[in-house]
Amino acid sequence: DARVTQTPRHKVTEMGQEVTMRCQPILGHNTVFWYRQTMMQGLELLAYFRNRAPLDDSGMPKDRFSAEMPDATLATLKIQPSEPRDSAVYFCASKLASNTGELFFGEGSRLTVL
Amino acid sequence: QKEVEQDPGPLSVPEGAIVSLNCTYSNSAFQYFMWYRQYSRKGPELLMYTYSSGNKEDGRFTAQVDKSSKYISLFIRDSQPSDSATYLCACNYGQNFVFGPGTRLSVLP
Repeated sequence: DARVTQTPRHKVTEMGQEVTMRCQPILGHNTVFWYRQTMMQGLELLAYFRNRAPLDDSGMPKDRFSAEMPDATLATLKIQPSEPRDSAVYFCASKLASNTGELFFGEGSRLTVL
Repeated sequence: QKEVEQDPGPLSVPEGAIVSLNCTYSNSAFQYFMWYRQYSRKGPELLMYTYSSGNKEDGRFTAQVDKSSKYISLFIRDSQPSDSATYLCACNYGQNFVFGPGTRLSVLP
């Protein structure tokens, strides 16, 4: 059963702490996205990678957010230092590079920053 | 104006009703059009995707795309309480995916 796997599912932390979220894309998928979902803004693109190379991270606050793909099976999103306004659900999604609309999401990491 | 507009609802229908969900978009470069279903506290689940204009049917679900009017629809026949969720439309070209805000649907038994 191919699926995108995200950890942790839930994270509560205090302002100023570092938060790392991890994603395992579907095996064979070489394009990976990070999205943030809030009630007010809906789904917002933070960054995406193709073949582990970052192609667009214009949606990320550069001073505190960073995204990497150490290898083809792991993508990470780090927030340091975290702020209450970062509270949201963070989704990872993956697809093949071929030009179709089939984008598959993980279950999300729900972050609460106190 | 947002690139993809969608009525957020909420929409409540009785079990067995035909549901019509709609989105409009503004960017004519979009080539693929998707519908996602998102249950509470879950990730969006890809329901259907279509390329360019036309219809696509999968069981009780039918997706329609009219590129001339930049209008996409999802029809759910014989709706069930298990269809209660938020439905997000999405438009795509290249690696650019733009999502609507979602319509919250409740199917009442």
